[in-house]
Amino acid sequence: EAQVTQNPRYLITVTGKKLTVTCSQNMNHEYMSWYRQDPGLGLRQIYYSMNVEVTDKGDVPEGYKVSRKEKRNFPLILESPSPNQTSLYFCASSPRGGLYYGYTFGSGTRLTVV
Amino acid sequence: QKEVEQDPGPLSVPEGAIVSLNCTYSNSAFQYFMWYRQYSRKGPELLMYTYSSGNKEDGRFTSQVDKSSKYISLFIRDSQPSDSATYLCAMIGRIQGAQKLVFGQGTRLTINP
Repeated sequence: EAQVTQNPRYLITVTGKKLTVTCSQNMNHEYMSWYRQDPGLGLRQIYYSMNVEVTDKGDVPEGYKVSRKEKRNFPLILESPSPNQTSLYFCASSPRGGLYYGYTFGSGTRLTVV
Repeated sequence: QKEVEQDPGPLSVPEGAIVSLNCTYSNSAFQYFMWYRQYSRKGPELLMYTYSSGNKEDGRFTSQVDKSSKYISLFIRDSQPSDSATYLCAMIGRIQGAQKLVFGQGTRLTINP
């Protein structure tokens, strides 16, 4: 089944404790992206990657890091999480940057930073 | 002013009603338009994709794009309880040299049996 898999689905952590949210896709898509979804603000892009070793900032990159060492994986790293990073996070992939085919989204990771 | 404006609702209608969901945008650089459906505790899934102005139909769903007015709509005919979800408009355009995807806030829709 073609899908984007995120782990974990739920995570509660403490301020300052480094964490990684994994994302993997099995569709051989070149384009991958991370979003956060907050009430009243909708989906906002954090980082995106157009291919292996090519990443760029989205609209809200502060406090996040990413890497794209393999085509299928695009982990999101929070080096020192803060409470304002409490949110619902989605990973998405696309064969053409969203053109014509849209994006396939993962099921989400609900992160709480206390 | 937000680049994409979408009434967050919530919107509640009886089963069988025609539903109209709308988004407006301010930047004429947006050229590709989409509607996503998001069920509770799930990621968004692509519902409709449109490039040009005009109407596109897929079963009970019709998308409408009016580039001159910077306005897009999604119509749902014969609405069903299974259509209850949050609907997000999204659009892609080349802005400041980069291809950018922007989502609306999403409209929460409930279809009552």
